[in-house]
Amino acid sequence: EAGVTQFPSHSVIEKGQTVTLRCDPISGHDNLYWYRRVMGKEIKFLLHFVKESKQDESGMPNNRFLAERTGGTYSTLKVQPAELEDSGVYFCASSQGLNFYEQYFGPGTRLTVT
Amino acid sequence: AQKVTQAQTEISVVEKEDVTLDCVYETRDTTYYLFWYKQPPSGELVFLIRRNSFDEQNEISGRYSWNFQKSTSSFNFTITASQVVDSAVYFCALSSNAGGTSYGKLTFGQGTILTVHP
Repeated sequence: EAGVTQFPSHSVIEKGQTVTLRCDPISGHDNLYWYRRVMGKEIKFLLHFVKESKQDESGMPNNRFLAERTGGTYSTLKVQPAELEDSGVYFCASSQGLNFYEQYFGPGTRLTVT
Repeated sequence: AQKVTQAQTEISVVEKEDVTLDCVYETRDTTYYLFWYKQPPSGELVFLIRRNSFDEQNEISGRYSWNFQKSTSSFNFTITASQVVDSAVYFCALSSNAGGTSYGKLTFGQGTILTVHP
């Protein structure tokens, strides 16, 4: 069974540009989470989808971040316009059930904003 | 508010030594889950264990063991007879119901970098 995949693995963009990150969860997992790790800090929650609906987006830093999950399958996270402080590793995770099920993580996308 | 603290930023050991990674958590919820994840150089977080707040039994899986103590709010992870392949970043995480407002999101500690030398 394929694990969680993320694309691209690494993105380098200039401040003010737009970047879209993609996550493909494990097939059949309705729950999809986005997390971010800024250099030297802990991994922080961004948002949670259940199928195509946003269940919790309390961790989204500001309105420059837009997440979608069309059809309840893959998800995209768009940053527009990117700022220097957006640099970090963006992780996607999926889980089979709600509440306390283990989450399976992808390898992350390393975003560098220059 | 929830918080997870991994006070050890980096640990370095020689192969075959035992090593314990500390994790201390804070939560006001009575129902919660604790997790450990391993991040090898490839980057993805690999799930190791999940523990619920009502089960304080220690768990052993091969060379790995976990000590959960509610009295000290700790969930420590021990690797016995460490190997070079154990070198990775290890994260402790907490998930709770937060009064019905949370749906499984994880609160992570800062991570501990473990290096096992041959």
